[in-house]
Amino acid sequence: ETGVTQTPRHLVMGMTNKKSLKCEQHLGHNAMYWYKQSAKKPLELMFVYSLEERVENNSVPSRFSPECPNSSHLFLHLHTLQPEDSALYLCASSPRGGGQETQYFGPGTRLLVL
Amino acid sequence: QKEVEQNSGPLSVPEGAIASLNCTYSDRVSQSFFWYRQYSGKSPELIMSIYSNGDKEDGRFTAQLNKASQYVSLLIRDSQPSDSATYLCAVNRGGDSWGKLQFGAGTQVVVTP
Repeated sequence: ETGVTQTPRHLVMGMTNKKSLKCEQHLGHNAMYWYKQSAKKPLELMFVYSLEERVENNSVPSRFSPECPNSSHLFLHLHTLQPEDSALYLCASSPRGGGQETQYFGPGTRLLVL
Repeated sequence: QKEVEQNSGPLSVPEGAIASLNCTYSDRVSQSFFWYRQYSGKSPELIMSIYSNGDKEDGRFTAQLNKASQYVSLLIRDSQPSDSATYLCAVNRGGDSWGKLQFGAGTQVVVTP
């Protein structure tokens, strides 16, 4: 596979469920990102990882828990979500995490919380 | 005040015409500016990046940056139906701010044959 991949592509979960989103990048990058995209709203940066170290947590509720075991993989663990968390969750990567770098996005996971 | 502002549109453009998209940002120390295109149901993909004042051209696309006015624009020449998408303006402070992009809500462009 090439680029940035995300699984699952669609997810429906109840408020009491626990699920995880997976992102994998095949670009040799060292920085990875989680974004949330809600309808009619700008993309919101959630987390930034550089060389497996979290460098940004953009005031995200604790019901979202990121994990970056290596520079190619990024997870977002979900538990006790709310209906307003329903959104498109996008993963991205960039070479080193610098401000001038292009970020390459995965296809996203469409999440519906019932 | 929103950090990055764009007109939501839709911007209706006849095929072959020029589409002009505007973006303003509030943080004066912003260093890097990006235009992403997002087709419905797809993820964003980079169209242009610009870091210095002035114009930058790439094929049918021209980005224009004016840091004094805190304004960045995108022109699409000879618009094609395949250009119909939402265009996202993104701004990064650069330096030690990592890749913390601030996105606008996007401008929907509809190119009519």
